[in-house]
Amino acid sequence: GAGVSQSPSNKVTEKGKDVELRCDPISGHTALYWYRQSLGQGLEFLIYFQGNSAPDKSGLPSDRFSAERTGGSVSTLTIQRTQQEDSAVYLCASGERSSQYFGPGTRLTVL
Amino acid sequence: DQQVKQNSPSLSVQEGRISILNCDYTNSMFDYFLWYKKYPAEGPTFLISISSIKDKNEDGRFTVFLNKSAKHLSLHIVPSQPGDSAVYFCAASISGGSNYKLTFGKGTLLTVNP
Repeated sequence: GAGVSQSPSNKVTEKGKDVELRCDPISGHTALYWYRQSLGQGLEFLIYFQGNSAPDKSGLPSDRFSAERTGGSVSTLTIQRTQQEDSAVYLCASGERSSQYFGPGTRLTVL
Repeated sequence: DQQVKQNSPSLSVQEGRISILNCDYTNSMFDYFLWYKKYPAEGPTFLISISSIKDKNEDGRFTVFLNKSAKHLSLHIVPSQPGDSAVYFCAASISGGSNYKLTFGKGTLLTVNP
């Protein structure tokens, strides 16, 4: 079956612009995660959605970051007023703890 | 503050030999550990896990060892194959309320030479 998909695969933007990153999880998975991997770093937890529960936003680095999950399926991560330090690969995963299936990521470059 | 550390950024081994990837952690509350493998331009894929109630878990060519007193775990790949060349991430979590949160190390790039 289809895995986790993310779009776009690459995004180049100018400092100060807003960007939206999309994640399509595996059908039927109630849990969805966003991670960020900056250059030379491990994966950094950003946000977690589980069903209809309130999301765990504790990993979001600033209030410029927000995420939504509509209808328990597709999720969008929005970064407002992007900064150069936001440049990273943004990874989405769906599934449970030891069964997190990752998408290929979106490489964001902020110039 | 890095709670999960992979101190070797890279490792090179010969095909057929053993690969040993190491991981150290500082948070004694971690009780579940995972290894993920990542190829370029792909997301990480789950490889093997171990609970703190065990000190070893084996799956085919892959074995994970956990030394709780040393807060150290290692992944052994025997025999290593060129297709194993990838970045390996160690991750840890705490059972209970936030057990979905994984804390990852920075990864180790394994190169298996034919």
